Amino acid sequence: GAGVSQSPSNKVTEKGKDVELRCDPISGHTALYWYRQSLGQGLEFLIYFQGNSAPDKSGLPSDRFSAERTGGSVSTLTIQRTQQEDSAVYLCASSTSPGELFFGEGSRLTVL
Amino acid sequence: AQSVTQLDSHVSVSEGTPVLLRCNYSSSYSPSLFWYVQHPNKGLQLLLKYTSAATLVKGINGFEAEFKKSETSFHLTKPSAHMSDAAEYFCVVSPQRSASKIIFGSGTRLSIRP
Repeated sequence: GAGVSQSPSNKVTEKGKDVELRCDPISGHTALYWYRQSLGQGLEFLIYFQGNSAPDKSGLPSDRFSAERTGGSVSTLTIQRTQQEDSAVYLCASSTSPGELFFGEGSRLTVL
Repeated sequence: AQSVTQLDSHVSVSEGTPVLLRCNYSSSYSPSLFWYVQHPNKGLQLLLKYTSAATLVKGINGFEAEFKKSETSFHLTKPSAHMSDAAEYFCVVSPQRSASKIIFGSGTRLSIRP
């Protein structure tokens, strides 16, 4: 596609359930980032992929969070045993040049 | 170490008047600097970038920013605000040595009064 695509756009889940968020980056973009944006807050870095490997996963807040990327393209962010504090917008971005990011519209997660 | 500080959390201007959003940075190396805009319920969009070429950078929608090394600033300006400029603006520093250590400022919410 022409831009970064994220799904679902909205997800409401119950505390304790697992969720998967998907990111389809711009074709040919080798770098992929996940960020979290809580209500009224700035961006919190979660993980960075270069190709299929994740040289920087330092932002993942706990071992309930994991991410993978396959075929150098689609990435999935998985949150296990969701908690209410996980409620946020999860943004994905892809890039070919450091700092120049193309963002998706985000997946809004609400944990009840 | 790198850091970026947006000096105002909220700026309100009247339509047709100039816009100034302030950003100061700290970087051990020559950084690349960016401004992004985020409209409500949307992802971020790149407005402009500085990568050590011209110090005055022009971006989309009439915005521009000037890199001032002596002041470690990268303020965003626009001569005349439009209602559609109402959004959140983020100043970003990207160290040239690390693609993952991109640092986002805390954001400035721009409101436009009719």
